[in-house]
Amino acid sequence: QVQLKESGPGLVQPSQTLSLTCTVSGLSLTSNSVSWIRQPPGKGLEWMGVIWSNGGTDYNSAIKSRLSISRDTSKSQVFLKMNSLQTEDTAMYFCARESSYILLGYWGQGVMVTVSS
Amino acid sequence: DIQMTQSPSSLPASLGERVTISCRASQGISNNLNWYQQKPDGTIKPLIYYTSNLQSGVPSRFSGSGSGTDYSLTISSLEPEDFAMYYCQQDASFPFTFGSGTKLEIK
Repeated sequence: QVQLKESGPGLVQPSQTLSLTCTVSGLSLTSNSVSWIRQPPGKGLEWMGVIWSNGGTDYNSAIKSRLSISRDTSKSQVFLKMNSLQTEDTAMYFCARESSYILLGYWGQGVMVTVSS
Repeated sequence: DIQMTQSPSSLPASLGERVTISCRASQGISNNLNWYQQKPDGTIKPLIYYTSNLQSGVPSRFSGSGSGTDYSLTISSLEPEDFAMYYCQQDASFPFTFGSGTKLEIK
């Protein structure tokens, strides 16, 4: 059974760096991609970026300069780091894993991140 | 970036009713259009991929269609568990973008 679980700090101060972890069970990261998506409170979904099965990455150009996605395949973990956080980065952050036919085939439950001093 | 315009933003409907949600892309996306459902507890699951293909486990009352820039999601007969948020998403080109969502509400 495929499961994804996001973890990280619930509160981050403005201008600081956000670090999140997505722990994936059920399949190898070398076989499937993992994306990060975020959702500000009461708003829609924003695709942030993806780390492909070969380790390559693609990012949303709107946040590319602040974002880094990496992984540790031995631990089945994918990491998101985003710097220079502002209040508008307050959101629920989701990771999603590829399935047979769709890039965002399995979703985690999300982790809420609030940017505030 | 490809903009996805979803309508309506809110859709009051009754149990058993047939409803359709529309999604328009700012340029052609060659059927690379997916639909997702988000429940009130925040859980998100894919419903349809590549315009019209039902994800495993999704009831057959859900269907998708479209081509070019115009796509739609239809629910043939609403069940209680269908009242949720729905989002379209294109993966034809980076960055992958979502529609703004449709809230399907009980009338």
